[in-house]
Amino acid sequence: GQQLNQSPQSMFIQEGEDVSMNCTSSSIFNTWLWYKQDPGEGPVLLIALYKAGELTSNGRLTAQFGITRKDSFLNISASIPSDVGIYFCAGRIPGADGLTFGKGTHLIIQP
Amino acid sequence: NAGVTQTPKFQVLKTGQSMTLQCAQDMNHEYMSWYRQDPGMGLRLIHYSVGAGITDQGEVPNGYNVSRSTTEDFPLRLLSAAPSQTSVYFCASKTGNLNSPLHFGNGTRLTVT
Repeated sequence: GQQLNQSPQSMFIQEGEDVSMNCTSSSIFNTWLWYKQDPGEGPVLLIALYKAGELTSNGRLTAQFGITRKDSFLNISASIPSDVGIYFCAGRIPGADGLTFGKGTHLIIQP
Repeated sequence: NAGVTQTPKFQVLKTGQSMTLQCAQDMNHEYMSWYRQDPGMGLRLIHYSVGAGITDQGEVPNGYNVSRSTTEDFPLRLLSAAPSQTSVYFCASKTGNLNSPLHFGNGTRLTVT
């Protein structure tokens, strides 16, 4: 099936630092979504992107739908302890009902 | 709205046992799906349904059955559990609009010994 390459796999950062993660694919996607998963819970939607080139913010989070439609990035500014978790990108290829998920980026914030 | 509700939260099975993971949503979503989450593998689609009476296979359907007799419920059945099915299972739903995002339940952690 389709694959999304999400990087990095994990990040160890200091509180207050900015964070950047991205997903790439060899296929074109119509939709890019970014989710966050806290321990013991299901993924929660952070940002949804529907057009190539779209740049969307949600508080300290900013995500972009790449103009080639094969990539997306998520930035978190001025990280805080509650940002800890696993971040997933997900995309929908044209004509498909389901989403393809990346393998996740583990964000760990060191005191 | 309660959103997507999964039961049980935890389950331990012996190899060969059968069980059903329950999923219910109260958002009148047409689309429902089951994913499994394994370390280093992300979320992989098991089965999905675009409406009552319609189901289809995802990426990893073997060993699992589903049915969709109502819009609200989408149970996942393991007919003969195997240790390879030890995982965390997530149910997710969305509207029928292709671009609408998935809403996830809080998961069922299954261990097969």
